[in-house]
Amino acid sequence: NAGVTQTPKFQVLKTGQSMTLQCAQDMNHNSMYWYRQDPGMGLRLIYYSASEGTTDKGEVPNGYNVSRLNKREFSLRLESAAPSQTSVYFCASETGSPYLAKNIQYFGAGTRLSVL
Amino acid sequence: GDSVTQMEGPVTLSEEAFLTINCTYTATGYPSLFWYVQYPGEGLQLLLKATKADDKGSNKGFEATYRKETTSFHLEKGSVQVSDSAVYFCALFGSGNTGKLIFGQGTTLQVKP
Repeated sequence: NAGVTQTPKFQVLKTGQSMTLQCAQDMNHNSMYWYRQDPGMGLRLIYYSASEGTTDKGEVPNGYNVSRLNKREFSLRLESAAPSQTSVYFCASETGSPYLAKNIQYFGAGTRLSVL
Repeated sequence: GDSVTQMEGPVTLSEEAFLTINCTYTATGYPSLFWYVQYPGEGLQLLLKATKADDKGSNKGFEATYRKETTSFHLEKGSVQVSDSAVYFCALFGSGNTGKLIFGQGTTLQVKP
């Protein structure tokens, strides 16, 4: 089982460049999430999608956009990358509504992004 | 708002030593509590969880008890192995929350043979 697949695994950008991080899950989950992980700060939620066609801001949405393309795919776009966006990005998915604490999130392996 | 605080790392232990990683939380109501583990080069995966006070979550020899009186969810293992080397994250899902897991900063565990 593939689970949650993220591409690319590594990326180096110059300031001002744009890119899209891709995420796909094959578990038929309704909810999907994008987090960033920075040293000493744990994981912080960027955006999430409770279901196909809906997206909501998380804790740190500035500088990012998302698209829930279909039930399987949830992409994260950096329109004009900044050095402050250097981080490890994780996508996650969950079975049902994000309002149900019993649901468990499944994570991809991450994308390591450096912005020079 | 809701928050999670973990002990600072890294924690370095010898194989077969006893492990405790402290986790305390601040939340209104009755949050659900989780421990996630991140092995090198991988994403996070759920290790164990507890959904109400006095519940004990357990998995792979790890245990954590939901202590509402001390607002804590400390992770313990009686005898660690080299393969337990990873980053451990405590997290909560608040009862009044709108779809967000709140993570602690993570604690790195290194187990030496």
